Amino acid sequence: QSALTQPASVSASPGQAVTISCTGTSSDVLNDKYVSWYQHHPGKVPKLIISEVSNRPSGVSNRFSGSKSGNTASLTISGLQAEDEADYYCCSFTSTYTYVFGTGTKVTVL
Amino acid sequence: QVQLQESGPGLVKPSETLSLTCSVSGDSISDYYWSWIRQPAGKELEWIGRVFMSGSTNYNPSLTSRVSMSIDTSKSQLSLRLTSLTVADTAVYYCARERSGGFNSWGQGMLVTVSS
Repeated sequence: QSALTQPASVSASPGQAVTISCTGTSSDVLNDKYVSWYQHHPGKVPKLIISEVSNRPSGVSNRFSGSKSGNTASLTISGLQAEDEADYYCCSFTSTYTYVFGTGTKVTVL
Repeated sequence: QVQLQESGPGLVKPSETLSLTCSVSGDSISDYYWSWIRQPAGKELEWIGRVFMSGSTNYNPSLTSRVSMSIDTSKSQLSLRLTSLTVADTAVYYCARERSGGFNSWGQGMLVTVSS
């Protein structure tokens, strides 16, 4: 199975919004329901920020939102803050009961 | 609050077998799927596989010939075994708890280096 495709990097100024796309090669790879997103600061543990396409776990800022259309899932970070600078990964549960991660996107706050 | 802790050798020789353990505390190991995930330096996260309390497993198709996982509910531990190691297996290895199609709890991660 191939990794889900994400842009290598996105950047924006503080206070602006960024959207990260996550594209699967087929509808089987990008699950209708079980798409999750992770924030990963280098040297630290990945953190779940979105589950089931658009659900925010308790304690996660409402500046993070998720959506999905067809074979593409998206993560939007609004009101960008310096602390949001990190790597972001999407992940999908597939029809063969496996998981596949995205290629990762580096978010830079200008 | 559940806590996960990976343990095992930090250095393994090429062609040898890696054995890692993940100890779970603070919550029952039952009723959840538990996954192993790794990240080579500078690369993306890679899902290795998962195990359920029944012993049922699912593996990444690219690793299925070399990987096996097990669970010991009496010890609240998961185990990962990866054979025929190459330098490409050098990575930080994480264990994680699965919930609602995502990984909501992670271990601290353990760096495993494959080198002679």
